[in-house]
Amino acid sequence: EVQLVESGGGLVQPGGSLRLSCAASGFTFSSYWMSWVRQAPGKGLEWVANIKQDGSEKYYVDSVKGRFTISRDNAKNSLYLQMNSLRAEDTAVYYCARIRDAYNIYWYFDLWGRGTLVTVSS
Amino acid sequence: DIQMTQSPSSLSASVGDRVTITCRASQSISSYLNWYQQKPGKAPKVLIFAASSLQSGVPSRFSGSGSGTDFTLTISSLQPEDFAAYYCQQSYSIPWSFGQGTKVEIK
Repeated sequence: EVQLVESGGGLVQPGGSLRLSCAASGFTFSSYWMSWVRQAPGKGLEWVANIKQDGSEKYYVDSVKGRFTISRDNAKNSLYLQMNSLRAEDTAVYYCARIRDAYNIYWYFDLWGRGTLVTVSS
Repeated sequence: DIQMTQSPSSLSASVGDRVTITCRASQSISSYLNWYQQKPGKAPKVLIFAASSLQSGVPSRFSGSGSGTDFTLTISSLQPEDFAAYYCQQSYSIPWSFGQGTKVEIK
């Protein structure tokens, strides 16, 4: 079955760290750009970061630059998000998503995990 | 950064109604516009990509149109399973951004 499964969420104090993981199965993980998208409780969706197939290119939303690091291990079919210096405003469900490039130019999220909740609170 | 603005933020409609949701970009994004549906407690699901291309497996009552800065998602005949939140998203330039969402509720 083609799927993404996130793990690693939980309760962390402000200033703390957390590492999220996303296990991919049912498709050739190394062939796809991957992404993290988050959603604060009761709010809309926010793109967080993208990573290229070989990890050579990474992009972040400004609010997490310097604090979050996206990475991947193609041998383990896994995507990661290392989150440091966490703030209350980072509280959200974090989704792992696969990026599809239609016609080699139009990019969109075609596969999503169920998400993992990160709560930053003292 | 490109800002995406959806309207309305919410709407009430009945089964069988034709529903239209609009999305406006703060600058031209050509056809780099996608639409997602999200039901409570679930992950989003892509409906439309490249402004007007229907994702495989999505019912044909969903359609998308537009280019440049103005886009539309249309549900031709609303079904009970369509009551959900809908988001537009641009992939024209980093940082990718979503609209604030439109909640479609039962009238």
